[in-house]
Amino acid sequence: RKEVEQDPGPFNVPEGATVAFNCTYSNSASQSFFWYRQDCRKEPKLLMSVYSSGNEDGRFTAQLNRASQYISLLIRDSKLSDSATYLCVVNPISGGYNKLIFGAGTRLAVHP
Amino acid sequence: EPEVTQTPSHQVTQMGQEVILRCVPISNHLYFYWYRQILGQKVEFLVSFYNNEISEKSEIFDDQFSVERPDGSNFTLKIRSTKLEDSAMYFCASETSKGPETQYFGPGTRLLVL
Repeated sequence: RKEVEQDPGPFNVPEGATVAFNCTYSNSASQSFFWYRQDCRKEPKLLMSVYSSGNEDGRFTAQLNRASQYISLLIRDSKLSDSATYLCVVNPISGGYNKLIFGAGTRLAVHP
Repeated sequence: EPEVTQTPSHQVTQMGQEVILRCVPISNHLYFYWYRQILGQKVEFLVSFYNNEISEKSEIFDDQFSVERPDGSNFTLKIRSTKLEDSAMYFCASETSKGPETQYFGPGTRLLVL
């Protein structure tokens, strides 16, 4: 089983749509969870951390279900500028401090 | 805003040659990482580095790879004898002591091995 698994997409949505991405992780002892955004040929950038209580940042809402080992990201009122690949990222317990384990990403294309 | 920088942005080399990829982490950061991303694939952890030594390395990081922080500012990744399959984007990242939310990535070096 992959350490972090995501639907690769692409998700093609019109501006203003709501879109949801899902992710599962295999290591039940994982400590921290994140959504990153990656634009084509650029570095990953932290979008938001994900907490068990859920968290919201503007149009973005992230949820974590530890029992199901499931992470989600909801984007409301999609903008053209949201077009990117969204990476589900997990920080497992290890001796390597905070190595990050990345999913393969879900591609989002927002069209006018 | 402080940022991680990497040089060169692109490198083309012949198979079997040595390459050194350079990174300047953010100045007050303590933990340093290298990741790589083969075109079309996921970002993969290579190695973490703290207090002038490797703290963890992945299976990818074999004897052909080495890292060092020679002068307290630069953080380098050396590939001793490049293979075709080393072609990838290599990202450096640095982090404070406050946890993975403070891990910032550099813009990457695109390595092409011919």
